[in-house]
Amino acid sequence: EVQLVESGGGLVKPGGSLTLSCAASGFTFSNYTMNWVRQAPGKGLEWVSSISGRSTFIYYADSLKGRFTLSRDNANNSLYLQMNSLRAEDTAVYYCARDFDSHFDLWGQGTLVTVSS
Amino acid sequence: DIQMTQSPSSLSASVGDRVTITCQASQDIRNYLNWYQQKPGRAPNLLISDASSLETGVPSRFSGSGYGTDFTFTISSLQPDDIATYFCQQYDNLPSFGQGTRLEIK
Repeated sequence: EVQLVESGGGLVKPGGSLTLSCAASGFTFSNYTMNWVRQAPGKGLEWVSSISGRSTFIYYADSLKGRFTLSRDNANNSLYLQMNSLRAEDTAVYYCARDFDSHFDLWGQGTLVTVSS
Repeated sequence: DIQMTQSPSSLSASVGDRVTITCQASQDIRNYLNWYQQKPGRAPNLLISDASSLETGVPSRFSGSGYGTDFTFTISSLQPDDIATYFCQQYDNLPSFGQGTRLEIK
């Protein structure tokens, strides 16, 4: 089955760190640019970061100011988002999404990150 | 950064109504415009790509049009299953989303 499954979310204190994972299956993972998109409670969608198939190109939203690092392991069909210096405003559901020809055609179910003391 | 202005932010309509949502880009994005449907507690689902291409399996009552900076998403005859929030997304450079339109049944 073609799917993406996120994990690693949870409750973290302000200033803390967390690493999210996205496991891909059912398709040739290395052929696709992958993205993280987040959604704060009751809010809209915000693109976070993207990484090309061979990790040649990595982009981040300006709002992250260098706190997040995106990486991938094609041998293990996995995507990672390391998040440091977390703030209350980073509280959101984080989705990984496959990029096919400039549109996100496959999404995971999301993992909730809550930043609170 | 390219800003996407989506309107209205919410919409109430009756079953069978024609529903239209608009999205305006802050600069020319050619046809790099996608539309997603998101139901409560679920991930977004791609409905339309490249401004007007309907994804496989998406009902034909959904359609999209536009080029450059102005885009329109239409449901020709609203069905109860269409209750959701709809987002536009541009991908001319780095992606960004509109604010969303919450669609309710009147």
